[in-house]
Amino acid sequence: GQQLNQSPQSMFIQEGEDVSMNCTSSSIFNTWLWYKQDPGEGPVLLIALYKAGELTSNGRLTAQFGITRKDSFLNISASIPSDVGIYFCAGQGTGTASKLTFGTGTRLQVTL
Amino acid sequence: KAGVTQTPRYLIKTRGQQVTLSCSPISGHRSVSWYQQTPGQGLQFLFEYFSETQRNKGNFPGRFSGRQFSNSRSEMNVSTLELGDSALYLCASSSLPGGVYEQYFGPGTRLTVT
Repeated sequence: GQQLNQSPQSMFIQEGEDVSMNCTSSSIFNTWLWYKQDPGEGPVLLIALYKAGELTSNGRLTAQFGITRKDSFLNISASIPSDVGIYFCAGQGTGTASKLTFGTGTRLQVTL
Repeated sequence: KAGVTQTPRYLIKTRGQQVTLSCSPISGHRSVSWYQQTPGQGLQFLFEYFSETQRNKGNFPGRFSGRQFSNSRSEMNVSTLELGDSALYLCASSSLPGGVYEQYFGPGTRLTVT
């Protein structure tokens, strides 16, 4: 099945550092969503983006919907240990389809 | 407001058996989607239901089926289980279908096929 290209695949950072990850697609999406998943749990929605060029923040998280509608990035500032997990981007299609196409995931590990 | 609930959380089945998984969406949400998550393929869309009708279907064999009830609860069924069906099955709900409504996920059902 289709997956979006997400990078980096994994990151090891120190507490307090900023993190940046991005997602690219060959297809246009109407909505970009960013999720975080902890082991054995379902993805938790972090940020939703609805318009090309939109920049949205949620606490220490900032995400942008690319102008071309084919990419998005997520930044986490001043990382803390509870940021550990796998982050997924997801694109939601045009028209009336609710189907989400997910990225390959970025595994974030934070060291003290 | 309670989140999406899925039952059971864990399941072990034998090859050739069938299995039914259940999902209760967030109260007031009428759209339910199902996803399969495996280490090799990641998160893949299975199907979406709204008002008891399947609106969208992913690229999975006919052994995978689902339905939605009038109270928006949904079930998915996998018949003639194969080893490759071992996965985390996730259900997501949204208020309405369509590309502008956020989807919220349940904790998933971990299916192991032996």
